[in-house]
Amino acid sequence: DAKTTQPPSMDCAEGRAANLPCNHSTISGNEYVYWYRQIHSQGPQYIIHGLKNNETNEMASLIITEDRKSSTLILPHATLRDTAVYYCIVRLGGTNNAGNMLTFGGGTRLMVKP
Amino acid sequence: EAQVTQNPRYLITVTGKKLTVTCSQNMNHEYMSWYRQDPGLGLRQIYYSMNVEVTDKGDVPEGYKVSRKEKRNFPLILESPSPNQTSLYFCASKSEGRNEQYFGPGTRLTVT
Repeated sequence: DAKTTQPPSMDCAEGRAANLPCNHSTISGNEYVYWYRQIHSQGPQYIIHGLKNNETNEMASLIITEDRKSSTLILPHATLRDTAVYYCIVRLGGTNNAGNMLTFGGGTRLMVKP
Repeated sequence: EAQVTQNPRYLITVTGKKLTVTCSQNMNHEYMSWYRQDPGLGLRQIYYSMNVEVTDKGDVPEGYKVSRKEKRNFPLILESPSPNQTSLYFCASKSEGRNEQYFGPGTRLTVT
């Protein structure tokens, strides 16, 4: 699996956009970028994933650079409930990742402040 | 409501006393998996199952057993728990061909 690098912590003001970066310079052509988050000791929650195009869903947007070596997760209007550890993971997609499904590293601890 | 459930949520036990942590999903997912989470080590996969009667080892399978007799259930068995198995455990499931995994709420296990 491609290794990812994330800042250990970030702060964001409530109501502002939170931009969480992730470097994955060794990503291969068929590997996806996944984002999950974990609110204190709860089960990780899927946020979004993408291969090379930018993606948006009801939770967030994912911006992947053209060379795919880095990406940014954007929470457009952060709330206090978005305070969590955010994990960027690079893995094969669909049925190709049936085995060793996910490995979570250190992640970024996002603190949303009033 | 689509969900993954785990029981018990909290368990304190003694070394050597066999225990089972249950996991159940109501989404008809083919893939299920067990992870443990420890400070500084992130989330590590213990065992996974691609479908009924198909299981395989993850990164840290030593000391654990699993079974997949039904599609919805994937219990984690500790035949002889030891203190180094004190951890936070998560069960997860995924639909074949989909990318997102759904995690249970976690089971905090303490072995004394």
